[in-house]
Amino acid sequence: GAVVSQHPSRVICKSGTSVKIECRSLDFQATTMFWYRQFPKQSLMLMATSNEGSKATYEQGVEKDKFLINHASLTLSTLTVTSAHPEDSSFYICSARGPYLGEGYSNQPQHFGDGTRLSIL
Amino acid sequence: DAKTTQPPSMDCAEGRAANLPCNHSTISGNEYVYWYRQIHSQGPQYIIHGLKNNETNEMASLIITEDRKSSTLILPHATLRDTAVYYCIVYNGNKLVFGAGTILRVKS
Repeated sequence: GAVVSQHPSRVICKSGTSVKIECRSLDFQATTMFWYRQFPKQSLMLMATSNEGSKATYEQGVEKDKFLINHASLTLSTLTVTSAHPEDSSFYICSARGPYLGEGYSNQPQHFGDGTRLSIL
Repeated sequence: DAKTTQPPSMDCAEGRAANLPCNHSTISGNEYVYWYRQIHSQGPQYIIHGLKNNETNEMASLIITEDRKSSTLILPHATLRDTAVYYCIVYNGNKLVFGAGTILRVKS
């Protein structure tokens, strides 16, 4: 259980185009999803927290107009990289807060998708 | 969120137990210890988590010291497919903050 699917797994596109990445929780409902970015040989960095039915919360330094997040249902969050440029090339990974286990959010694992490798030419 | 300290890398022989240490001396009472791993070019995989009691599942065991200032993840019979970066994270339900982790290399 607790499977998160991310699509597409790889995208190569020209500079200036917009790219949409989907993140789905397949067998559970996720009111909260998270978007991370990982550059080569670095650790994951949280970009934003996505809450179903409300605006996303962005981490400091992440441009909200550049990285549009929509969480319109309990099983789907999307990240759109607008007017992508080569410096946006990275590995983008989503996660979803899994089923509630009791005793607060700290006892609720996040489950991750397999990531999207974005390459902007 | 409390900070964790892990060795940068470890080697383990295939079939032997892999014991991955983690220090989290500033952990607060309501924070859980989580372990994830990331195999190259994949998203992190949840392994196990615990508050103060030792935990075991089909993947691993988590041993937390009585003072909760450190823990050890145990993979009982490591295989080549367990080669990955292992992250120990102290989590209060707000954000998962990934450090550098431990690169575990399982060798035949």
